[in-house]
Amino acid sequence: DQQVKQNSPSLSVQEGRISILNCDYTNSMFDYFLWYKKYPAEGPTFLISISSIKDKNEDGRFTVFLNKSAKHLSLHIVPSQPGDSAVYFCAAGGNQGGKLIFGQGTELSVKP
Amino acid sequence: DVKVTQSSRYLVKRTGEKVFLECVQDMDHENMFWYRQDPGLGLRLIYFSYDVKMKEKGDIPEGYSVSREKKERFSLILESASTNQTSMYLCASSFMAGFADTQYFGPGTRLTVL
Repeated sequence: DQQVKQNSPSLSVQEGRISILNCDYTNSMFDYFLWYKKYPAEGPTFLISISSIKDKNEDGRFTVFLNKSAKHLSLHIVPSQPGDSAVYFCAAGGNQGGKLIFGQGTELSVKP
Repeated sequence: DVKVTQSSRYLVKRTGEKVFLECVQDMDHENMFWYRQDPGLGLRLIYFSYDVKMKEKGDIPEGYSVSREKKERFSLILESASTNQTSMYLCASSFMAGFADTQYFGPGTRLTVL
């Protein structure tokens, strides 16, 4: 049973526009959520996180929104840059003893 | 800076070979993890460890074993490699379980089993 889902395998956006990546989860006991970015042939790098007690967290061009009633989170990248082209994974944790549950990933392509 | 290193970036092995993947972290983290990444399936947890000599099965432990003799080192062992174990293997580490357990990843090992 997939507890964390990213339903869009890919997303293409024009440079300078907003990128919105989505993630849904089923377990209401998750305490926090994270987004990771992964370039080909590299390990994922941590991007931004949000606690379940918040609904928004911002870090520069990256903002994560959490809608607990809908069990949905999204990552907004504004403005998008070609260097943002990568696979983005959302992850959830907090009731898993240190484990994170990852989504399938969304490949973002930002075109110049 | 947190540093997680993996012994090889690319490996090619034959079916039936025993394969060792090594991971070392330099941040004195208690937790260490092994994942595999396959297209469309995301990151799936194979095994993890909370402390030296401790190990716990993840979601897909079949065909794998692990060893953690020292805090900084976590090894993944494929006892008898098979073609369906061709994948990207990722090691990660984090501080002891608690709030916002950010995991830090190594660069990955691309394993091909022929």
